[in-house]
Amino acid sequence: DGGITQSPKYLFRKEGQNVTLSCEQNLNHDAMYWYRQDPGQGLRLIYYSQIVNDFQKGDIAEGYSVSREKKESFPLTVTSAQKNPTAFYLCASSPRRLWDGYTFGSGTRLTVV
Amino acid sequence: AQKVTQAQTEISVVEKEDVTLDCVYETRDTTYYLFWYKQPPSGELVFLIRRNSFDEQNEISGRYSWNFQKSTSSFNFTITASQVVDSAVYFCALSEAEGTGRRALTFGSGTRLQVQP
Repeated sequence: DGGITQSPKYLFRKEGQNVTLSCEQNLNHDAMYWYRQDPGQGLRLIYYSQIVNDFQKGDIAEGYSVSREKKESFPLTVTSAQKNPTAFYLCASSPRRLWDGYTFGSGTRLTVV
Repeated sequence: AQKVTQAQTEISVVEKEDVTLDCVYETRDTTYYLFWYKQPPSGELVFLIRRNSFDEQNEISGRYSWNFQKSTSSFNFTITASQVVDSAVYFCALSEAEGTGRRALTFGSGTRLQVQP
């Protein structure tokens, strides 16, 4: 079955360390997205990519970095510059047409101690 | 800029009650898409419905129905005869239809629905 795989489901890191969240899709979707979810704030867009080797900043890109070297993969790095990294991170993908909507992964809960 | 407002942070109902979740949006685009997603406790968002800005027909799917009113920029979601399994966070989302602008969905803050047995 096609879908999106995010790993790991839970991640703990010490303050000041960079951490990379994995997102892989086998849906042959062109576009991929990263959102951050905090209680009461809904989903906020971090980065998105429409094609390989290209990506755009979303609303809260500061302290994050991404790469899109393969169509199937869109890893997100949470750097030490991110002031408040503890959150639930959701990856999604879509065909080129947004009318088809998103398919979401099951999320990664990052806790920084 | 696009914006989606879900003013109801949390709603609690008793099983079999009807409940309406409100969604108000702002956009300068003339053509756009609207979506509703459900997020159960497992965390993964599940697609419920989409609507094109040119299609103002209301839609019913089982116990779910949607009321799209362009004149008031609203896309409300009603659950009839609610069940415990409907307990989840529900998100409304908006995107421009096509073009060279922002190519991503803008989500509201979500409404947490709790259905008590």
